[in-house]
Amino acid sequence: DAGITQSPRHKVTETGTPVTLRCHQTENHRYMYWYRQDPGHGLRLIHYSYGVKDTDKGEVSDGYSVSRSKTEDFLLTLESATSSQTSVYFCAISEWTGGHEQYFGPGTRLTVT
Amino acid sequence: AQKVTQAQTEISVVEKEDVTLDCVYETRDTTYYLFWYKQPPSGELVFLIRRNSFDEQNEISGRYSWNFQKSTSSFNFTITASQVVDSAVYFCALHGSSNTGKLSFGQGTTLQVKP
Repeated sequence: DAGITQSPRHKVTETGTPVTLRCHQTENHRYMYWYRQDPGHGLRLIHYSYGVKDTDKGEVSDGYSVSRSKTEDFLLTLESATSSQTSVYFCAISEWTGGHEQYFGPGTRLTVT
Repeated sequence: AQKVTQAQTEISVVEKEDVTLDCVYETRDTTYYLFWYKQPPSGELVFLIRRNSFDEQNEISGRYSWNFQKSTSSFNFTITASQVVDSAVYFCALHGSSNTGKLSFGQGTTLQVKP
């Protein structure tokens, strides 16, 4: 199994509070991704990173920001959480992006009340 | 733009039946990659297979087989002699070469295999 951990694994927070999710990898892969999974939508890309301090938006990036200061860590921040951001968040990594498979972390279940 | 459609939301079979999960994709790229992932009830996402657009050979891995047909833009997944442990949500995904880093997933097909 790819060495990917996510923290926290579960979180309940209130609307309007900031939330940061962490993804940590031990594979030294260049590419890291954040997805959200919602019923009926499959997985949708929020942001991704193609190197330290290099990030780009995915299809559902509004309300989210990311940072990558080290190869192994990719942080996802909800500046002011809303109920629509209640979801399961998955981090993924890949060695390169040219059609290479992505390996996923265990997921974080976030509930915004 | 790229898009993946898994028209079957839920499939229920009895153990030992064969089952095919459909995946239809859209892309304007001539170079692209197709994937299948499995998400068992425990929630993790497990990579199953990758196929590139230049390789239309069907692939078999044990009870699993994949049929890639560019003419119909389909990449279907068949499980032969299904088992209860095959019960999961299966996702088809697409990466077009012009969409750096962007993997597009279908909505998923929930497969229930009953004993």
